[in-house]
Amino acid sequence: GQNIDQPTEMTATEGAIVQINCTYQTSGFNGLFWYQQHAGEAPTFLSYNVLDGLEEKGRFSSFLSRSKGYSYLLLKELQMKDSASYLCAVSGNKLVFGAGTILRVKS
Amino acid sequence: DAGVTQSPTHLIKTRGQHVTLRCSPISGHKSVSWYQQVLGQGPQFIFQYYEKEERGRGNFPDRFSARQFPNYSSELNVNALLLGDSALYLCASSNRDRVSGANVLTFGAGSRLTVL
Repeated sequence: GQNIDQPTEMTATEGAIVQINCTYQTSGFNGLFWYQQHAGEAPTFLSYNVLDGLEEKGRFSSFLSRSKGYSYLLLKELQMKDSASYLCAVSGNKLVFGAGTILRVKS
Repeated sequence: DAGVTQSPTHLIKTRGQHVTLRCSPISGHKSVSWYQQVLGQGPQFIFQYYEKEERGRGNFPDRFSARQFPNYSSELNVNALLLGDSALYLCASSNRDRVSGANVLTFGAGSRLTVL
């Protein structure tokens, strides 16, 4: 089976940097995804990691360590519009989502 | 290009009724997945279809069924509705991302089902 853990909520200040962690246990691994979901909207794709290391995409970066079953999403230069739920999802024989981390950005 | 479209956007049913939710994938996408998202939780996998064949099923009772049509659109059916079926039902179609090579799900806006 698969088990994914991420913090329930985080709060950060506009302009700051925040790191959202995700730990997982899976019987098969084909990659790890991060999705962003604003309240009342559909999840949208942010990043994908299949090899160990850091993937950078603008203000967002994602890191993966397969041996540790660990990933994080790093958001830089936080903006108010970054307030959303961030979903970690692991791809095995199906894509399994964590419960999501609600990020609140305050001014 | 149109994204993933779902209908209806909102609906209210009573216990014991059945519901059919519809999904049209992005043009060219042959794979459709269905997810259930309860408030405060992440999406839970229900079904995946590819080329009209079921490729995966999540841990949901037999009251849940789905099918994919020759044009790759899909329907999710839920019979004998329970209060606990109240949720946002998300459809996603997938294609290989050109940059990462990943099979990325693109979600529709969802159908919000309320069971009274």
